[in-house]
Amino acid sequence: ETGVTQTPRHLVMGMTNKKSLKCEQHLGHNAMYWYKQSAKKPLELMFVYSLEERVENNSVPSRFSPECPNSSHLFLHLHTLQPEDSALYLCASSQAIHGTDSYNEQFFGPGTRLTVL
Amino acid sequence: GQNIDQPTEMTATEGAIVQINCTYQTSGFNGLFWYQQHAGEAPTFLSYNVLDGLEEKGRFSSFLSRSKGYSYLLLKELQMKDSASYLCAVSARGRRALTFGSGTRLQVQP
Repeated sequence: ETGVTQTPRHLVMGMTNKKSLKCEQHLGHNAMYWYKQSAKKPLELMFVYSLEERVENNSVPSRFSPECPNSSHLFLHLHTLQPEDSALYLCASSQAIHGTDSYNEQFFGPGTRLTVL
Repeated sequence: GQNIDQPTEMTATEGAIVQINCTYQTSGFNGLFWYQQHAGEAPTFLSYNVLDGLEEKGRFSSFLSRSKGYSYLLLKELQMKDSASYLCAVSARGRRALTFGSGTRLQVQP
């Protein structure tokens, strides 16, 4: 248990469906992240939220829409996905120290295995 | 830009020592992480190096050479449960997230 939970753990959806992934962190952190992990490829950063404000968006298609209602919760809303979007979606959190270059380790959730048919 | 290279797969024997290498090219380098990821599970933190040298933590050690853009993870007294992917990740100034390598899949055999 890393203190970061994700639901659902597995999701199968059609290209016309709308679904949402949920992440919750119980560590009191102030930054949250979405990563995509495809087979035999590096973890790809999708979005970063710091103090509930989106501070980084890595050229992710608009069919992925993040939402961070508070510092403990992060959502990824999915609509009209493509089969190539099938992957493991990982959420992470960290305690970022603003105004410095200090970096703290990221704690990852178990991921949601997404299959798009 | 950032580029991180590590071997795709390695095999080692239970009880042995294995070294997993990672080379990187990163502007504004600010530290290097190693994570372990078992199949179907979350990556878990192993080590963090920001200065040159060796960091030892039980059976695991991590080394960094900033001038060479090189790190390695050393696993001693290998156990079957060490079979996993090992991810090298780099932190850079001005970026709030890590950049990951593709991971090295380690298979420990009896």
